[in-house]
Amino acid sequence: GENVEQHPSTLSVQEGDSAVIKCTYSDSASNYFPWYKQELGKRPQLIIDIRSNVGEKKDQRIAVTLNKTAKHFSLHITETQPEDSAVYFCAASRPSNTGKLIFGQGTTLQVKP
Amino acid sequence: EAGVTQFPSHSVIEKGQTVTLRCDPISGHDNLYWYRRVMGKEIKFLLHFVKESKQDESGMPNNRFLAERTGGTYSTLKVQPAELEDSGVYFCASSQDRRAAFFGQGTRLTVV
Repeated sequence: GENVEQHPSTLSVQEGDSAVIKCTYSDSASNYFPWYKQELGKRPQLIIDIRSNVGEKKDQRIAVTLNKTAKHFSLHITETQPEDSAVYFCAASRPSNTGKLIFGQGTTLQVKP
Repeated sequence: EAGVTQFPSHSVIEKGQTVTLRCDPISGHDNLYWYRRVMGKEIKFLLHFVKESKQDESGMPNNRFLAERTGGTYSTLKVQPAELEDSGVYFCASSQDRRAAFFGQGTRLTVV
């Protein structure tokens, strides 16, 4: 069935360092890949997304890369700050179908001051 | 613009009781989704509405779960009778284009 694997499950970095979270998806028909950030007690918030016709997308300190052949996509956060600490979820979907999101297991990122 | 709103934020019920969760999507969003996160695991899809019609309910765990979206506006998810394994956080999300989905804050359901 449809599946998204996310690694690592936890990640601890020093403030100012970079953080990378990796995901692999199984459904080759997936063509939309959003990333959500969930701070403690708050709602998951969309922070960046990428469509399958693009290999990389950047938004300030956040970037996402996609390798369709390998069915891998990654989130890169540069110059991390304590407020980046949260649980990050990757997801894959087919908007042309129902658009339901298949989520990875989540990565708890801790940025130490 | 108001975001996705869910009620209640928390609910503690006894096994065998009934609970109804409510979701008010962003106005104008035809697509409404229910998801659930159990015990720190991944967020799992439950079902998808387009307006008042169920498009995909493949993620619904069993027939103790019933979702409705009368009039294509707000949606309810009823669990009857609740079991211990139903505990978790239930999220609602809405979307205009089946891409960017905006989530509510979730309802934390605890069945004791």
